[in-house]
Amino acid sequence: DTEVTQTPKHLVMGMTNKKSLKCEQHMGHRAMYWYKQKAKKPPELMFVYSYEKLSINESVPSRFSPECPNSSLLNLHLHALQPEDSALYLCASSQVIKQPQHFGDGTRLSIL
Amino acid sequence: GEDVEQSLFLSVREGDSSVINCTYTDSSSTYLYWYKQEPGAGLQLLTYIFSNMDMKQDQRLTVLLNKKDKHLSLRIADTQTGDSAIYFCAEVGRANTDKLIFGTGTRLQVFP
Repeated sequence: DTEVTQTPKHLVMGMTNKKSLKCEQHMGHRAMYWYKQKAKKPPELMFVYSYEKLSINESVPSRFSPECPNSSLLNLHLHALQPEDSALYLCASSQVIKQPQHFGDGTRLSIL
Repeated sequence: GEDVEQSLFLSVREGDSSVINCTYTDSSSTYLYWYKQEPGAGLQLLTYIFSNMDMKQDQRLTVLLNKKDKHLSLRIADTQTGDSAIYFCAEVGRANTDKLIFGTGTRLQVFP
């Protein structure tokens, strides 16, 4: 069982919809991450939050908007996505940056 | 470049040992990781090793690190069918970043 919880597990949305992915951890970790994983590929980093502040944005398109409302929660707001954005979105957390990262089970996103 | 390389596929008989290899790129990496991903799931942190260590053993898992050759390996003793999964090695990225650079992943198939 993972200690990083992601909801929903699956999401199907149209290109004009707005939706949000949620990630929660109660391990007291102060670094949280969003990754995107396409089939048969390794995860690719999207964003890093450290002490609730955005510290890394890997040149992600603005249709993906991260938010860290508190130290336990991380959201990823989605708007006007494209079919190529269909993927598994993984959240991870670590005690602080540069420490081992623990992953959730991901949200499988399909864009119609 | 930032390529972390692994062989794509490994097939072993149940009860045998498995050895998964990884070649990384950044000699300044402080941590090197092994993650396991089962179908439809997120990444499970299996083990990690500090760059000042040569070996780490954790129950059935043995990690070997050769810094000179930038080679990392994961040995699974007494491999079981439940070990069938994709295994990713990962290094912390370039100095002063928290970016995990993942290997291409090795699919381990265990047959009876």
